[in-house]
Amino acid sequence: GENVEQHPSTLSVQEGDSAVIKCTYSDSASNYFPWYKQELGKGPQLIIDIRSNVGEKKDQRIAVTLNKTAKHFSLHITETQPEDSAVYFCAAAFTGGGNKLTFGTGTQLKVEL
Amino acid sequence: KAGVTQTPRYLIKTRGQQVTLSCSPISGHRSVSWYQQTPGQGLQFLFEYFSETQRNKGNFPGRFSGRQFSNSRSEMNVSTLELGDSALYLCASSLGLAGSGDEQFFGPGTRLTVL
Repeated sequence: GENVEQHPSTLSVQEGDSAVIKCTYSDSASNYFPWYKQELGKGPQLIIDIRSNVGEKKDQRIAVTLNKTAKHFSLHITETQPEDSAVYFCAAAFTGGGNKLTFGTGTQLKVEL
Repeated sequence: KAGVTQTPRYLIKTRGQQVTLSCSPISGHRSVSWYQQTPGQGLQFLFEYFSETQRNKGNFPGRFSGRQFSNSRSEMNVSTLELGDSALYLCASSLGLAGSGDEQFFGPGTRLTVL
């Protein structure tokens, strides 16, 4: 089955700096890669996703890149703000196989003033 | 549109007891997935139900079971509770299967403490 590794487990940045979280996956058939943000006391919420037919996707200060050859994808947050402080999870799935969505172990991002 | 709701939000049980958690998905969603979240372990997949049928199952012992009703509401049951079962249990709903590319919407979770 699919295995997703996520690094780093904790990340501390100064407000205004950029943050990068990286994930690698094992199943070369995977073609759907979402990112979720979990704020304290809440369930995770989808913030951006990418499919294997594109290499990069942006949404305001958030971007995701995908390297299918190396089987890794990354989340980039620019101009970080205190409200970006949360736990971020990456995930991967092969949408054509009825398989489950496999999550990484999460990254605790702290944006310091 | 109401989000995913989970009841109860908090639960304290003792070892050996059993517990039932409930999840009401977003109206129209047919898939409900359950996850166990513990510090350092991320989101561990328990099982997924779609149209009352279990479609995927994670690597958890048989003490963990679930079911889905015709209105898509789902319950998970844990029998013979162990201390290590203390965790946040999250459910998520989606239109299609969780791995289909449809967005999963998570509930706030049920915090289970086993003493």
